[in-house]
Amino acid sequence: EDQVTQSPEALRLQEGESSSLNCSYTVSGLRGLFWYRQDPGKGPEFLFTLYSAGEEKEKERLKATLTKKESFLHITAPKPEDSATYLCAVQADAGNNRKLIWGLGTSLAVNP
Amino acid sequence: ETGVTQTPRHLVMGMTNKKSLKCEQHLGHNAMYWYKQSAKKPLELMFVYNFKEQTENNSVPSRFSPECPNSSHLFLHLHTLQPEDSALYLCASSQPGYVGELFFGEGSRLTVL
Repeated sequence: EDQVTQSPEALRLQEGESSSLNCSYTVSGLRGLFWYRQDPGKGPEFLFTLYSAGEEKEKERLKATLTKKESFLHITAPKPEDSATYLCAVQADAGNNRKLIWGLGTSLAVNP
Repeated sequence: ETGVTQTPRHLVMGMTNKKSLKCEQHLGHNAMYWYKQSAKKPLELMFVYNFKEQTENNSVPSRFSPECPNSSHLFLHLHTLQPEDSALYLCASSQPGYVGELFFGEGSRLTVL
């Protein structure tokens, strides 16, 4: 069964304390892996698309990486404004390729 | 306006009411989506429209009725809802085929009493 698991469920960091969020997946062929950020009371905001193992994408303090089994979202020297829930979604390369499989997210809190 | 706009942002309705959620996108996209977000659950895809045509109904109960009059507007008509339908309803748009690169609205928080 296709599945996406995000860990940890929640993470609290001090400002400047770098860390990584994990998104592990099991799908029958990967078409794409997507990272989103969601602030409380708002819709998710698209961050990155990763297509193949070894690929990396960066945006400000965020860097997303991909292997054949998981993706990491590295947060370097986070600031309080990076506090949000980070969602991962995977699109399989077989069957009904319109559907995304979503994780439950990691809730990140960055303390000043 | 830019992006994806949803109205109303908050809605409280009784189980016998009829209401509608509205979504408008100003991104020039031709694919629009309704998602449901509930606590402790992953995002659930409800409906997909491509070029105004419904291309996916993810086994959604008939008390939810979508309407897409053009590529920029999407509605979700609600009637005879249940308390378990209380959730955040998110509208999104994308270029056709780019189902993972979604642009979401801020959502309509629905409470069914």
